[in-house]
Amino acid sequence: QITLKESGPALVKPTQTLTVTCSLSGLSVSTSGTGVGWIRQPPGQALEWLAFIYWDDTERYSPSLRSRVTITRDTSKNQVVLTMTNMARKDTATYFCALMRRTDAFDYWGQGTLVTVSS
Amino acid sequence: SYVLTQTPSVSVAPGTTATISCEGDNIGDKSVHWYQRKTGQAPLLVVHGNTVRPSGIPPRFSGSNSGFTATLTINSVEAGDEAEYYCQVWDTSGDPSVVFGGGTKLTVL
Repeated sequence: QITLKESGPALVKPTQTLTVTCSLSGLSVSTSGTGVGWIRQPPGQALEWLAFIYWDDTERYSPSLRSRVTITRDTSKNQVVLTMTNMARKDTATYFCALMRRTDAFDYWGQGTLVTVSS
Repeated sequence: SYVLTQTPSVSVAPGTTATISCEGDNIGDKSVHWYQRKTGQAPLLVVHGNTVRPSGIPPRFSGSNSGFTATLTINSVEAGDEAEYYCQVWDTSGDPSVVFGGGTKLTVL
C-alpha cells in the first residue's frame, strides 16, 4: 500500500524559511517513471502547484515561486523535501505532497500539513 | 503561462447530472486530470488522461476533452459527491509545469 505523509512546522514567522518533508512508503522515490510534487491550498483558495521532482532528480518549479522554492530527494530515507524561503502571511496554507506515476496525474496524496505564517 | 478556467460553482439536485467544465487554450490537445477535494480530506484523483477512471472510482464519473473545453460529468449525483473539483494539466510550452484550474464547488441541493 502506497502512502505519503507530510511533516513540518505548524507555525513559522514572516521572513523565515519553511522546510516540509514528505515521507513515502510502499514505493521507492527512485522508482523509474515516478515523481513527487508539492501542492498547497491557502484557506478558501484553489490548489496551487509548487514543485516536482522526478525519479532521476529532474526538478520542475512553479514559474511564480521558482526563486523561493527548492525540492530535493533523500533516497536513503525515501523522502522528498520542500524548502520555501522568505515566508509571508500569504503563504499560510495546507501543504500537500503527491505521487505521480506513469499516468502523469497525481494518483496518491498525503493528508497535508497546515502551515500558518504569523509573528 | 497556461491558464485553466473553471466555473466557480455548480448546484444540482440529487439524482441529476452535474457537468463541470475546464477551459483552456486548445486544451483538447492536452491530457486533463480531475481531482475531488472534500473538506478535511486529501484530493482524490477521479479521472486521468481525459477519460480514464482510476480503480475504485464509480462509473458515474466520466470525462471528456475537445477543443477548448474539458468536462467532468457526474451522473446520478449523490450527496457524497459534494466537493470542490479541480482540473489539471501539464503545460509544456516552456519549462514543463503543472497547472491547476481555479476549482468548481459542487453543491448537492
